[in-house]
Amino acid sequence: AQTVTQSQPEMSVQEAETVTLSCTYDTSENNYYLFWYKQPPSRQMILVIRQEAYKQQNATENRFSVNFQKAAKSFSLKISDSQLGDTAMYFCAFIATGANSKLTFGKGITLSVRP
Amino acid sequence: NAGVMQNPRHLVRRRGQEARLRCSPMKGHSHVYWYRQLPEEGLKFMVYLQKENIIDESGMPKERFSAEFPKEGPSILRIQQVVRGDSAAYFCASSPTGHSYNEQFFGPGTRLTVL
Repeated sequence: AQTVTQSQPEMSVQEAETVTLSCTYDTSENNYYLFWYKQPPSRQMILVIRQEAYKQQNATENRFSVNFQKAAKSFSLKISDSQLGDTAMYFCAFIATGANSKLTFGKGITLSVRP
Repeated sequence: NAGVMQNPRHLVRRRGQEARLRCSPMKGHSHVYWYRQLPEEGLKFMVYLQKENIIDESGMPKERFSAEFPKEGPSILRIQQVVRGDSAAYFCASSPTGHSYNEQFFGPGTRLTVL
């Protein structure tokens, strides 16, 4: 069984600055995917970024990038040039490679971007 | 191409009543996942269905909860004799295959309130 841990319940950042959200996970699988999802007040789940465990290169999507440390089982999300629209809950999630797999989510972190 | 549709968006039931939550996957998607989000928690997997088949129901309570995905029509999550602890947001996600490399696209969720 997999577990995903997000130990910071909330964070705050000034607009235009950079913030890093932490996530650790535990698994015995060797191949898997990791995700960060954003849940704004509308509660819609939006995929922010995805990382394949077999890739050493960290994924980036515009202002969003990850720091994936496979040996440490750590997967943090960096948001650069924070914008007010980044205010949301952020969930880290894991899925083992293969068929019939399901997502395992962390508890989430509430990020507030201050104007 | 419409996204994943869920209805109703909000559902209020009294204890002991039945709740029916509907999910229409994206066009071309035949795999549906149901997740539950309790207040202040991350999403937790409940059940995974393919057309006319339940593939994995390991996250679904054994009693009062059932799910189906008929050949025609939406997937239905049914909760009989609801209790206050069933109050949560229920999310449906769909994908074109059941393989982990395919993104799961989430619907907007149904917020169930049990009085």
